[in-house]
This record gives sequence, structure tokens and C-alpha cells, in this order.
Amino acid sequence: AQSVAQPEDQVNVAEGNPLTVKCTYSVSGNPYLFWYVQYPNRGLQFLLKYITGDNLVKGSYGFEAEFNKSQTSFHLKKPSALVSDSALYFCAVRDGDSGAGSYQLTFGKGTKLSVIP
Amino acid sequence: ETGVTQTPRHLVMGMTNKKSLKCEQHLGHNAMYWYKQSAKKPLELMFVYSLEERVENNSVPSRFSPECPNSSHLFLHLHTLQPEDSALYLCASSQDAGTSYEQYFGPGTRLTVT
Repeated sequence: AQSVAQPEDQVNVAEGNPLTVKCTYSVSGNPYLFWYVQYPNRGLQFLLKYITGDNLVKGSYGFEAEFNKSQTSFHLKKPSALVSDSALYFCAVRDGDSGAGSYQLTFGKGTKLSVIP
Repeated sequence: ETGVTQTPRHLVMGMTNKKSLKCEQHLGHNAMYWYKQSAKKPLELMFVYSLEERVENNSVPSRFSPECPNSSHLFLHLHTLQPEDSALYLCASSQDAGTSYEQYFGPGTRLTVT
């Protein structure tokens, strides 16, 4: 079984400050990890993913995430938050060793990010 | 925009009605998905289609019936729904099902069952 935990329902940060949205995961094989963002009345938008290679992954809109295998974490970060970053953020995981026949992408419950002007 | 469109954006239906949700992707992808998003719950995967063949059905009640006539279109037929089925229904597509490909989501259909 695979699972994702986003321990914070809400994160508040001042504009211009660095932001972190936390994610931890559990899979039996190699993790494929994803971050998505959802703005009000919109679907989810893909931000970035970790499949293999460099532990620091860079994505859209200046976001990055660091894969930490020992801590089973994949925290989303941005050096300087913008008010327009305010949205709902979802972490997701898939077992990369599950092979063909398994299509489950497991999402966390989401973290609401509010950037305060 | 992500290249995935959904219609209608909002739908209110009674428990005895029959309606359909439509999804279209313009990305040339081979896989399409239906998800249910309810408040304060993780996204629930409902169905997966790969090359127009249903490859996953996550114990979804039979009152939800998917259809994939070609790789660009996906439907979700609804009948005799329950109030607890009220949610945001999201369609997504990816280059291929599973593996490392990210999914691209449509804006969703907000369904209210009265």
C-alpha cells in the first residue's frame, strides 16, 4: 500500500518570505513523487516531479522540492512567496516498482497556502 | 489552460435524473482518468482508461458508468445518484497510464445532487 501525509492543513507566510509545504510518503518500492497546485474553481496543475536522479527538483513558477529518502519526505519550497501563490497544494506518490497493471496515484489531503501581503 | 476541457462546469440533478459529464483532451495522450474530489478528503481515483480500454475501476458504484469512445474523449454517465455523490469530478489525461508520467487535469464539473 502507498500513502501520503501532508501534516499541515494550512500554511501562512508573508509575501517575500520563503515558503515550505511539507509532504511525507510511504511506498514499498521506489517512489515517484509529484506536486500539484489547485487554484479556486480550477483543476489541478502539475508543478514538478521526482522520478530519479538529483534530489533537488525544480519546477514551474519558481517552485522546487527536495527528495529525502531517509526521511521519506518531499517538501515543496520557494525562496520568495508571492500573493499569487495562494492556493491548495497536493503531494502525490506512486510506487515506481509496481509495474504495469497498477495505476494508482495516491494524493494527500492538500495544504492551503495563504501568502499575506 | 492545461489542454483538458470538461463540460458542463456545473450540474444540479435530482436523484432520479440521468446526466453525463464530458471530458476532452487536446494533448494526444493515451490515458484518461476520472477522479472525485470531496471536501476535506483526498482525491479518489474512479476509473482509468488506457488506449480506450478500461484498466482500473476502483470499486465505484454502478450508478457511475464511464465511456471512452476514443483516446480524446471520456464520458461519465450518471443515474440515480445519491446526495453524497455531490462533489467536484475531475478528468485528467497523461501520456501513458501509470509509470512516471504526470497527469493534466481539466477544470472539473461541480455536481450537486438534490
